[in-house]
Amino acid sequence: GESVGLHLPTLSVQEGDNSIINCAYSNSASDYFIWYKQESGKGPQFIIDIRSNMDKRQGQRVTVLLNKTVKHLSLQIAATQPGDSAVYFCAEKFASGTYKYIFGTGTRLKVLA
Amino acid sequence: KAGVTQTPRYLIKTRGQQVTLSCSPISGHRSVSWYQQTPGQGLQFLFEYFSETQRNKGNFPGRFSGRQFSNSRSEMNVSTLELGDSALYLCASSQRPNEKLFFGSGTQLSVL
Repeated sequence: GESVGLHLPTLSVQEGDNSIINCAYSNSASDYFIWYKQESGKGPQFIIDIRSNMDKRQGQRVTVLLNKTVKHLSLQIAATQPGDSAVYFCAEKFASGTYKYIFGTGTRLKVLA
Repeated sequence: KAGVTQTPRYLIKTRGQQVTLSCSPISGHRSVSWYQQTPGQGLQFLFEYFSETQRNKGNFPGRFSGRQFSNSRSEMNVSTLELGDSALYLCASSQRPNEKLFFGSGTQLSVL
């Protein structure tokens, strides 16, 4: 498989604990944000999204928080499970002529049994 | 509904060769984007197609090209391969441009 994320920051959490993964985005004009999960050997999988007119959005076991003042996005995973082990990265969408997505480099989440 | 399908899954080529990668989007999705993913650079945008037209292009040399067919399927081509082209190439589809992206599993290209 691919060798994605060899030098990524790593977050290790105990199974059952909550995880918080952070992302600093680059453009204050970005109006849409997505969190993706990428498991080894697979493509990025959509987790949750949020528009810039919101501060918080909840999904199943996941919550995304957006702080536009400091250009910060976080993903909270409740009751982390072994299947949550993966690389997580954020994406921001902004207009620069046409719209484009910029992706963060990612954080590796390791769930300890 | 089937997801985004990319073929082939793995490719090994030598420097100077060319390669064509294929992507079939989710049924009903008309926008296809291509990304290069490497450990050091993360996901880098290559290009985006909608209704057979390239709408946007990233900062890659002209050796990287793509096209989209009337059935929304897309191909990308890399000519005169270099060692630095070794990467995971990901295709993503959306119903329309600028909407939520859904990714395929990628094609892992190794250039020797």
